[in-house]
Amino acid sequence: ETGVTQTPRHLVMGMTNKKSLKCEQHLGHNAMYWYKQSAKKPLELMFVYNFKEQTENNSVPSRFSPECPNSSHLFLHLHTLQPEDSALYLCASSQGAGVTANTGELFFGEGSRLTVL
Amino acid sequence: RKEVEQDPGPFNVPEGATVAFNCTYSNSASQSFFWYRQDCRKEPKLLMSVYSSGNEDGRFTAQLNRASQYISLLIRDSKLSDSATYLCVVNEYSGAGSYQLTFGKGTKLSVIP
Repeated sequence: ETGVTQTPRHLVMGMTNKKSLKCEQHLGHNAMYWYKQSAKKPLELMFVYNFKEQTENNSVPSRFSPECPNSSHLFLHLHTLQPEDSALYLCASSQGAGVTANTGELFFGEGSRLTVL
Repeated sequence: RKEVEQDPGPFNVPEGATVAFNCTYSNSASQSFFWYRQDCRKEPKLLMSVYSSGNEDGRFTAQLNRASQYISLLIRDSKLSDSATYLCVVNEYSGAGSYQLTFGKGTKLSVIP
């Protein structure tokens, strides 16, 4: 079983749909993240959860709503998205509070490729 | 605005060649530095950390110049399997005991037979 699993791998939705992305980590980590990766742009941090508490929201529009019921699961609820939200959404986890200064290692899932029509 | 800038790609090199990637970062308070590798249509994975004294892992050598805010990655004897996008990553303290990774856009390497 891989360390960080994301579902679905591909998602096509209309602008009025409501959908959710799911992430599960099997590494015993305490922190989980959502990143957005668009073509020709660097990875953009969206949300950080540490011990189920949200510690970072990088000015993400409210049409993206994260949920972290426990340290192993993370969801991203999507509602009334725009075509420019089409991207690869990557979930990641790490040990410790956020990312420690020393390790800097994030473990990523394979991503959910989202297309908004 | 905190930024991590990388060489524009793509780099197309023959097998066996030596190739170097450069990266600059804007935040002088950055704590630690890394190179990640991302294969086509796959997730990023940590390749190696970058230490002030420079460090080597097999064919890969990473160097850091804090004064110039510059990081490099050298790949010797390139293999076809080295073809990927290489992401320069900087770890910065973002407050409240938390750190945040800032990623560069990446440099694409294609090793040609």
